[in-house]
Amino acid sequence: AQSVTQLGSHVSVSEGALVLLRCNYSSSVPPYLFWYVQYPNQGLQLLLKYTSAATLVKGINGFEAEFKKSETSFHLTKPSAHMSDAAEYFCAVSDVISGTSYGKLTFGQGTILTVHP
Amino acid sequence: GAGVSQTPSNKVTEKGKYVELRCDPISGHTALYWYRQSLGQGPEFLIYFQGTGAADDSGLPNDRFFAVRPEGSVSTLKIQRTERGDSAVYLCASSVRRDSPLHFGNGTRLTVT
Repeated sequence: AQSVTQLGSHVSVSEGALVLLRCNYSSSVPPYLFWYVQYPNQGLQLLLKYTSAATLVKGINGFEAEFKKSETSFHLTKPSAHMSDAAEYFCAVSDVISGTSYGKLTFGQGTILTVHP
Repeated sequence: GAGVSQTPSNKVTEKGKYVELRCDPISGHTALYWYRQSLGQGPEFLIYFQGTGAADDSGLPNDRFFAVRPEGSVSTLKIQRTERGDSAVYLCASSVRRDSPLHFGNGTRLTVT
């Protein structure tokens, strides 16, 4: 069975500081990995995804994540935080069937990012 | 264009009652998913439709939960004999194909009193 662990349910940074949200996964096969963002009272929005191509993945809003197989990690980073980045972030892993992912995702518990002025 | 639409946005019901939650996917999206998000948790997979058929219903917690998608577009999640533990946000998502990114709706917040 797959699982996802997000270290830190709450992360607080100052505006302009580095954002680092941690995600570790377990999977018996090479996974597809995703980061989603959820703003209050809104649906989940895809930030970026890893699908076995380049290990450093760039997403929307200046976010990027690096797949490290040896560490089973997929941490999310952004060099400089903006106030608008305040939201809840979810890491997720997908079953890979016949080389093609589909949307049966296993999510982590989420990390709430707070950005201080 | 329009995104995934879920109605109602909020539903309050009494323990033991029957509820239906509706999802209108993005037009042309063949794949549709239901997830449940309990307070303080990440979403949990419930069921996946490819077209009209349920391709994977392994996440449905018990036989009180049922979902349909009769014409391959709108889907309804049905919960019988609701329990307080069913209180959660129910999310619907759709994608163009099974290997495409998911588009999520804003969810239906179900409260069972």
